[in-house]
Amino acid sequence: DIQMTQSPSSLSASVGDRVTITCRASQGISRWLAWYQQKPEKAPKSLIYAASSLQSGVPSRFSGSGSGTDFTLTISSLQPEDFATYYCQQYDSYPLTFGPGTKVDIK
Amino acid sequence: EVQLVQSGAEVRKPGESLKISCEGSGYSFRNYWIGWVRQMPGKGLEWMGIIYPGDSDTRYSPSFQGQVTISVDKSISSAYLQWSSLKASDTAMYYCARRHGDYGEFDFWGQGTLVTVSS
Repeated sequence: DIQMTQSPSSLSASVGDRVTITCRASQGISRWLAWYQQKPEKAPKSLIYAASSLQSGVPSRFSGSGSGTDFTLTISSLQPEDFATYYCQQYDSYPLTFGPGTKVDIK
Repeated sequence: EVQLVQSGAEVRKPGESLKISCEGSGYSFRNYWIGWVRQMPGKGLEWMGIIYPGDSDTRYSPSFQGQVTISVDKSISSAYLQWSSLKASDTAMYYCARRHGDYGEFDFWGQGTLVTVSS
């Protein structure tokens, strides 16, 4: 199974800050990586697929990069509605696996 | 508009059976994989398994193989997750999600079904 790790596990940031979250796969997954945003008591929402492609309707302040084993999610200027937990997920092979999540809260 | 609508919250006792559902609309249900994801209270997302409605091809996570059954009724555009004997540790929120294409990410998610197992 491919293990996914994320860092940091949590971070505190202010509105307007640039935020970067890292995701690492235990083996190469090419660019088969997605990022999801989950707000409290809500279903996850797809943000990015194929490592760097933005889902329709997702603001351009979100961006993704990476390939192989190392990936990043960047929020260029954090907005109040971005405070949430972010998960990466590999879909290169079964079993599909998620990272443990990164909680972004208000400083 | 693509929508996945899940059945409502359930409360059961340990040892009881349960089947929850996920109805898709706004797209060709039979042509997209539907996955199930567990989220235990205060915890992260865990992939449980996935089914292709067109031919009922099903894959399970090793962690959930034998613990749950995933099924589908494409005639009514619905996927199901069922337990034959619930445990307290099955208490969680369960999400269904549509897989984009044969090899893609989960692009649309249901609203979740909360399952509470308590004596």
